[in-house]
Amino acid sequence: GAVVSQHPSWVICKSGTSVKIECRSLDFQATTMFWYRQFPKQSLMLMATSNEGSKATYEQGVEKDKFLINHASLTLSTLTVTSAHPEDSSFYICSARGFGTMGYQETQYFGPGTRLLVL
Amino acid sequence: QKEVEQDPGPLSVPEGAIVSLNCTYSNSAFQYFMWYRQYSRKGPELLMYTYSSGNKEDGRFTAQVDKSSKYISLFIRDSQPSDSATYLCATNTGTASKLTFGTGTRLQVTL
Repeated sequence: GAVVSQHPSWVICKSGTSVKIECRSLDFQATTMFWYRQFPKQSLMLMATSNEGSKATYEQGVEKDKFLINHASLTLSTLTVTSAHPEDSSFYICSARGFGTMGYQETQYFGPGTRLLVL
Repeated sequence: QKEVEQDPGPLSVPEGAIVSLNCTYSNSAFQYFMWYRQYSRKGPELLMYTYSSGNKEDGRFTAQVDKSSKYISLFIRDSQPSDSATYLCATNTGTASKLTFGTGTRLQVTL
């Protein structure tokens, strides 16, 4: 239980185009989802917190007009990188907060990540 | 000073060894502690979740929390090459609050 999927798993695009990444909680409902980016050999950097039905909360230094987040349902959040540039190339990972089947309290379960390369 | 400190490694051990991974934290408000395993080019996978001080065991993995010294550990017994990954410790002040991660420790288990 507590499976999170992401689509696509990787994407290559030209500079200036927009890219949408989907994050789905497959077997649980998630009122809160999180978006991270990760550079090689570095830890995860939280970009924003997304609550179903409301505006996302962005971390300091993250451009909300650049990284559009929509959380329209309890199982789906999307991240759109608008007018992508090479410096946006990174590994984007989402997580969904929920209860697993291991008897844990509510915590974050991560998707497999989306690798974005902007040429 | 980072809120959560973790030695980045890499840590190389032979197959069958006992591995000890550690993190220290500075914020006494942190209450929940997690260990995630991340394989290369994959998302983190939750391994262990602890709340109180003490030990928690799950198969070959044991998580240990010492809130008095703000120290958390993950022990892996009988390590296998498939355990080769980056291990991230994470913590938060409440189940609804965001996670604070360590930098991750790269582990390599050799044959």
